[in-house]
This record gives sequence, C-alpha cells and structure tokens, in this order.
Amino acid sequence: DQQVKQNSPSLSVQEGRISILNCDYTNSMFDYFLWYKKYPAEGPTFLISISSIKDKNEDGRFTVFLNKSAKHLSLHIVPSQPGDSAVYFCAASTTSGTYKYIFGTGTRLKVLA
Amino acid sequence: NAGVTQTPKFRILKIGQSMTLQCAQDMNHNYMYWYRQDPGMGLKLIYYSVGAGITDKGEVPNGYNVSRSTTEDFPLRLELAAPSQTSVYFCASSYRQGNTIYFGEGSWLTVV
Repeated sequence: DQQVKQNSPSLSVQEGRISILNCDYTNSMFDYFLWYKKYPAEGPTFLISISSIKDKNEDGRFTVFLNKSAKHLSLHIVPSQPGDSAVYFCAASTTSGTYKYIFGTGTRLKVLA
Repeated sequence: NAGVTQTPKFRILKIGQSMTLQCAQDMNHNYMYWYRQDPGMGLKLIYYSVGAGITDKGEVPNGYNVSRSTTEDFPLRLELAAPSQTSVYFCASSYRQGNTIYFGEGSWLTVV
C-alpha cells in the first residue's frame, strides 16, 4: 500500500523552462510535506516543505503547491537549470501521532542544456 | 558542520556475516531514522527512535536491530546477512516529528 506516490519515474525539461514534479498521497492524516533532491552516491538533501495550513510555499526558484482536497502536491522549478538534474523525492508526515516520514519512489529530472 | 555522519561508506559482506552500520548526529535531534533504498525504489523505513532508549519498527524491520543508548548515536545491526539486504542505507534525524529530516551520505552494502 503506497501511501505516497510519484507516478512519473522520469521527466526531461529544456534549460530555462519550468519543471513540474507531482506527488499524490492517500492518507488524510498527513499534514506536513517535504521535497528532497538526491544526486547519485549522495544522501537526499532537503529542498522545500509545506504545512497543510498553507497551499503554497516559495523559496527562490522552487515553489511547492498543496491541494488538500485532491491529496496532491507539486514542485515547480523555474527556471530549470542543468544542475537541477537529480532524483526528487516527496515525503509526507504528521505533526502528531505515530506516523513516520513516508517517501515516494522518486522522479528523475533531467534538464537539457 | 558535520550533521549526520554514517560509517562505513562501502562494505561487502558474505552471506551469514553480521555487521553494524554506525550513525551519529551532532544537531541534538530527538528523532533518528534508518532507511534503505533499493534500485528504482523509494526510501523504506527500517527502524526509528524518538529518543534515547526508545526505538520502534518501521516498514521493513526484519533482519535488523537497533539501539539508542545516547541522543547522538543510532547504530543499525545486521544479523546473518542475506542477499536481499544488498541496498543503500541512509541514516537521518529530525528535531521532532513534522520537522525537516536530515540525511547522512549513505552506506552502500553488498551481500554476496
């Protein structure tokens, strides 16, 4: 039972264009969501997060949108740069209870120069 | 500036051998986690700890053991290694649930 799903295993985008990575979740108790970037042979690094009390959070070129009714979040990268090429994981958690961080399977983004 | 430190980085084990993956964090985080990542898959939680002396199972705990005697350290023990345990292991920590989780650089384990 995959509670956090990233249905696109890969995505290619031209440099300078927008990258949109999607994530769906099934558990309505999740109230905190994070995106991580992972380069080969390195650990995941934190990118941006959003609480369920918000529907949007921005940090420079990165924006995360949350649609609670659809149980869907997306990460927008504008403009995309070659250095953004990596695997992106979304994760979900709760701020109470016993749930842990549940990760999606990742989307490999390739930004073409 | 250490954050979460894992050792060893790479290890080859023979079937049936045992070993311990070490993890230490210097951020005074209460929560610590062990994840494994298989090729093409997401991160699966093995064990987690909410504080010294307290540990609990995650999604895939079989074949592993943990202990948390101090806030800083959270070692993962593999008993009787099996080829199915060939994976990349990541240790992580967070101040509490619902906070950003920080990862170590990973430990690549091959069981032959």
